[in-house]
Amino acid sequence: AQSVSQHNHHVILSEAASLELGCNYSYGGTVNLFWYVQYPGQHLQLLLKYFSGDPLVKGIKGFEAEFIKSKFSFNLRKPSVQWSDTAEYFCAVNAGSSNTGKLIFGQGTTLQVKP
Amino acid sequence: GAGVSQTPSNKVTEKGKYVELRCDPISGHTALYWYRQSLGQGPEFLIYFQGTGAADDSGLPNDRFFAVRPEGSVSTLKIQRTERGDSAVYLCASSLGLSYNSPLHFGNGTRLTVT
Repeated sequence: AQSVSQHNHHVILSEAASLELGCNYSYGGTVNLFWYVQYPGQHLQLLLKYFSGDPLVKGIKGFEAEFIKSKFSFNLRKPSVQWSDTAEYFCAVNAGSSNTGKLIFGQGTTLQVKP
Repeated sequence: GAGVSQTPSNKVTEKGKYVELRCDPISGHTALYWYRQSLGQGPEFLIYFQGTGAADDSGLPNDRFFAVRPEGSVSTLKIQRTERGDSAVYLCASSLGLSYNSPLHFGNGTRLTVT
């Protein structure tokens, strides 16, 4: 079965530190990849997505992610985090379906940024 | 503009009771999705509608769960004979269509607690 694995469950960083959150998926075919973010008290929102083309994708608020097909990975990065980046981050994949709304999510990573 | 609205925001019910959870999608969004998020996990797909019909209900855990969208707008998720294991946050999302250019817009969810 298809699955998404996020290796870091809880990450604590100081402001200005660099961030990398790992995400691996299991599916051998074409995939669409997403990162969603949930800020405290808010709904899930799309951070960035990859469908095809340049494997390095840029999203909102300075986030980027790199799709490495050979490693089945789609890691999220930000060079310098801010306190306002404190949130829960979910990696998701849509695999083998034309419907990009039917997603398989990872279990999430809680990021805590200390001021 | 108005986002996806879910009511109630919280629901506490006794084991064995019937519950209905409501979702008002963004106006004009034809696709509607239900997800369930258990504590410490990522959202898990339940069902999606394109218009009035359930296009894919493969994520519904058993026949106690049922969802409708009779007029292609508001949707109701119905759970019969609730069990403690049904306790979770039930998320609704909508999108303009099913194409890769139609991102999901999530509501804030309904937190269901079965005692």
